[in-house]
Amino acid sequence: SQTIHQWPATLVQPVGSPLSLECTVEGTSNPNLYWYRQAAGRGLQLLFYSVGIGQISSEVPQNLSASRPQDRQFILSSKKLLLSDSGFYLCAWSVFIRGGTEAFFGQGTRLTVV
Amino acid sequence: AQTVTQSQPEMSVQEAETVTLSCTYDTSESDYYLFWYKQPPSRQMILVIRQEAYKQQNATENRFSVNFQKAAKSFSLKISDSQLGDAAMYFCAYRSARETSGSRLTFGEGTQLTVNP
Repeated sequence: SQTIHQWPATLVQPVGSPLSLECTVEGTSNPNLYWYRQAAGRGLQLLFYSVGIGQISSEVPQNLSASRPQDRQFILSSKKLLLSDSGFYLCAWSVFIRGGTEAFFGQGTRLTVV
Repeated sequence: AQTVTQSQPEMSVQEAETVTLSCTYDTSESDYYLFWYKQPPSRQMILVIRQEAYKQQNATENRFSVNFQKAAKSFSLKISDSQLGDAAMYFCAYRSARETSGSRLTFGEGTQLTVNP
């Protein structure tokens, strides 16, 4: 069965510090991978998605970047965090199959920039 | 670009009663998928139900069913016999059937459902 791991669960970082959130998927090959951000009480905003190793698409301009060094690994990074980067970050994966398939989400990371 | 709108920020229902959450969307595509996700306080995103746009029959999963009106671009979720464990934030989501879209989901802003005992 497929599983998705995302860590850490919570993180408190000072302004200007770097960031690295990691997400790995098990039990599937060549998944599409996604990073979403959720502000408090709001919907999910897609930040990045990847359809293959080294392929990153950015949905919104921002202070963050993403990388996919391996097929089932997706990393969200920042060189210098801003206060506005605080939020709840969710990693997800999906595989395109006719008949439709939903995205499967990790447990999320609550990031607080202080 | 596709948009998803949930016009009810909050809803409440009595335990064992039925509640309907609304969702509308805007798209120029004819083939797509629609989803309802549930996010309890743990913030884990859980799929509740999916609907393929090419299917006329409304999807049903136990106590959860949808009313899919393609022409009206409406996709409401009905929860029957509401239980305390149904209390959560509910998100409507859209996904294009085109593989070039990266299978990414567009979410609505969510509806916070409270279930009263």
